[in-house]
Amino acid sequence: EVQLVQSGAEVKKPGESLRISCKASGYYFNTYWISWVRQMPGKGLEWMGRIDPTDSHVNYSPSLQGHITISVDTSISTAYLQWSSLKASDTAIYYCARHRNMYEWGQGTLVTVSS
Amino acid sequence: NFLLTQPHSVSESPGKTVTISCTRSSGSIASNFVQWYQQRPGSSPTTVIYEDFLRPSGVPDRFSGSIDRSSNSASLTISGLKTEDEADYYCQSYDSTDQVFGGGTKLTVL
Repeated sequence: EVQLVQSGAEVKKPGESLRISCKASGYYFNTYWISWVRQMPGKGLEWMGRIDPTDSHVNYSPSLQGHITISVDTSISTAYLQWSSLKASDTAIYYCARHRNMYEWGQGTLVTVSS
Repeated sequence: NFLLTQPHSVSESPGKTVTISCTRSSGSIASNFVQWYQQRPGSSPTTVIYEDFLRPSGVPDRFSGSIDRSSNSASLTISGLKTEDEADYYCQSYDSTDQVFGGGTKLTVL
């Protein structure tokens, strides 16, 4: 069974750093891209970026480039999304998803950024 | 880059049929596959249509997808509406570098 299990909810202050994770199981990790998708409170789905685990090449959404970093550790079949300096506007649910065309989703990680 | 535009909301009665549109702003809708996702409150999205018209296993055949080159749009049609179909629906497509989601459509079954 394919599973994407994300790390737990986080509460952070503006300016703090954060890394959340997405551990894949049930398939060969290198054969699917991993994307991160943001859903701000009461809003729709927003694609943030995609990584190819075979070579760690990343395509970022132009609106988020420079603010986030996406990476993988293929030895443990895990993808990461990280921020070096959070803003209050980063408060959202973050989903990872494996895909070629069709997305298969993790359970989501709620990140709350508040002073 | 391009945008995918969906109606903000649609509503229909149980047993009826509803169609949700998704219009691509630039580039051909036929150039890249379109997917549709259902999201119920408090849950992760799930796929109801992929590669324009294919259904994942477990998705009932009441759900169907199509594309229309003349209007440069994709459509999700749900027939025999049930109250459990009430959810947000998102279309999604891509180009050579970016993935794009539509703004979402809230389906109310009343």
